[in-house]
Amino acid sequence: DAKTTQPPSMDCAEGRAANLPCNHSTISGNEYVYWYRQIHSQGPQYIIHGLKNNETNEMASLIITEDRKSSTLILPHATLRDTAVYYCIVRVPNTGNQFYFGTGTSLTVIP
Amino acid sequence: KAGVTQTPRYLIKTRGQQVTLSCSPISGHRSVSWYQQTPGQGLQFLFEYFSETQRNKGNFPGRFSGRQFSNSRSEMNVSTLELGDSALYLCASSLTGGNYGYTFGSGTRLTVV
Repeated sequence: DAKTTQPPSMDCAEGRAANLPCNHSTISGNEYVYWYRQIHSQGPQYIIHGLKNNETNEMASLIITEDRKSSTLILPHATLRDTAVYYCIVRVPNTGNQFYFGTGTSLTVIP
Repeated sequence: KAGVTQTPRYLIKTRGQQVTLSCSPISGHRSVSWYQQTPGQGLQFLFEYFSETQRNKGNFPGRFSGRQFSNSRSEMNVSTLELGDSALYLCASSLTGGNYGYTFGSGTRLTVV
């Protein structure tokens, strides 16, 4: 079962920052937070992951609260191509364990 | 470098038939996972192979099976197809099992009629 809770849908104006929240209150000490997105009819795409420090890459930033019970994915300047379903997943890395994708957040970027 | 390649892209089968789907991982990747995606159930884990051995298995009936070859290519087989097996089947590969997560293919769209 998915260990995360996400809002089912969000809208964001093009060019603005999209902030996608995720609750993972039962996360264990060795579980990382992963974010993936899925554009319609394509395979999920890796975005970013982190353990407890904030992370940034060319796609997004990941902010994890100090108690690690929640996190926020930030797309700094959303474009129409960022319209997708975004999944927040907690998982122990390098174990071959499955990703529990849950229902995700459907983000719509509005022109 | 080439991504994860799944073949065929689309497939139509009749109830009762069996089907084999293929997945070629990124070169050097040794872990391959399979997921089923349906509108009602979302993305569900089928199984994961690493170095030709099944390491993990999801909660699917025995009609769903898989294997991995020495070159890390993987196949999954579904026997005695049911209408409910209609889904997008996704394959994902990683070096060892996912520190940086998996790279997914575009999937095989299976329709059972």
